[in-house]
Amino acid sequence: SQTIHQWPATLVQPVGSPLSLECTVEGTSNPNLYWYRQAAGRGLQLLFYSVGIGQISSEVPQNLSASRPQDRQFILSSKKLLLSDSGFYLCAWSGGSAQGVAEQYFGPGTRLTVT
Amino acid sequence: AQKITQTQPGMFVQEKEAVTLDCTYDTSDPSYGLFWYKQPSSGEMIFLIYQGSYDQQNATEGRYSLNFQKARKSANLVISASQLGDSAMYFCAMRELNQGGKLIFGQGTELSVKP
Repeated sequence: SQTIHQWPATLVQPVGSPLSLECTVEGTSNPNLYWYRQAAGRGLQLLFYSVGIGQISSEVPQNLSASRPQDRQFILSSKKLLLSDSGFYLCAWSGGSAQGVAEQYFGPGTRLTVT
Repeated sequence: AQKITQTQPGMFVQEKEAVTLDCTYDTSDPSYGLFWYKQPSSGEMIFLIYQGSYDQQNATEGRYSLNFQKARKSANLVISASQLGDSAMYFCAMRELNQGGKLIFGQGTELSVKP
């Protein structure tokens, strides 16, 4: 069966510090991978998605970036965090086929607080 | 223009009763999928049910059913026989096939089940 891992679970970082959040998927190959952010009491906002190694699409201009160094690894980074980067970050995966409308499965999330 | 609208920020239901959570959507793509996710206080997004735009019958998964009215562009979630564990945020989401695997989420409805 497939599982998705995210770490760390919680993170408190000062403004201006770097960020690296990691997401890995097990039990599937060539998944589509996604990074979402959820502000308190709000819906999810798609930040990045990837359909393959090294292929990253950005949805929202910001000081965040994403990378996919391996098939089942997705990393969210920032060189300098802003207060507005605080939120709940969720990684998700779906089947890699371009056909059909596959559901997405989410990881446990990382709660980031920028102070 | 907002593509997914959930007009009920919060709802209450008595245990063992049925409840309907509203969702309307907007798309010009003839091929799309509609999803419902549950987010308990732990934060994890749990996939509940999926409805494809060409599906003739309403989707059902255990106590969850999706009331799909294509002409009205609505995809309401019906939870039968509510349980205390159903208390959570519920998100409606849409995926348009011409937009790859991206999901667009509504703002969510917070459901509280009363004993």
